[in-house]
Amino acid sequence: AQSVTQLDSQVPVFEEAPVELRCNYSSSVSVYLFWYVQYPNQGLQLLLKYLSGSTLVKGINGFEAEFNKSQTSFHLRKPSVHISDTAEYFCAVSASGGSYIPTFGRGTSLIVHP
Amino acid sequence: GAGVSQTPSNKVTEKGKYVELRCDPISGHTALYWYRQSLGQGPEFLIYFQGTGAADDSGLPNDRFFAVRPEGSVSTLKIQRTERGDSAVYLCASSTGQYGGAFFGQGTRLTVV
Repeated sequence: AQSVTQLDSQVPVFEEAPVELRCNYSSSVSVYLFWYVQYPNQGLQLLLKYLSGSTLVKGINGFEAEFNKSQTSFHLRKPSVHISDTAEYFCAVSASGGSYIPTFGRGTSLIVHP
Repeated sequence: GAGVSQTPSNKVTEKGKYVELRCDPISGHTALYWYRQSLGQGPEFLIYFQGTGAADDSGLPNDRFFAVRPEGSVSTLKIQRTERGDSAVYLCASSTGQYGGAFFGQGTRLTVV
């Protein structure tokens, strides 16, 4: 079984500042990793994914994440945030092979202040 | 439609009643997932379909919960004898089954009073 830990429940940041949202996972097998964003009163939208290959993956809206196998981490970063990035961010993991059922973390609330 | 469609968007029901929640996945997506999201929590897996069959129902909390996907497209999540603790947003997602990421619907907010 897989599990995900999102270390910060809430991250406040000022507009145009950089941000990092932390995600650590646990799994006994190889994994696929994902970040989803959920804007208020909306469904989850896929931001980016790591399936294989380059450990640095780029997603939509200027976000990127780096897969670090030795540290079992997949932290999400953005060099300069906007007010519109205020949302809930979820890290998810699934086993590579089989049913691909994603297991989600509890989420990190990113709050961007003007 | 272009995305995953869930109906109704909101459902209020009395304790003890039966409810059905519907999910219409993206056309051609063979994999379909149901999740439940409580306030302040991440989505919690309920059941996974590959085609018409439930390939993994290990997340269903008890036998009051049941889901079907009779023709391999639309799915219905059924909850019998609803309890106040069932109140949550129920999310449906679909994918091609070869992993590229699941696409989620807007969810159904279920409130049991």
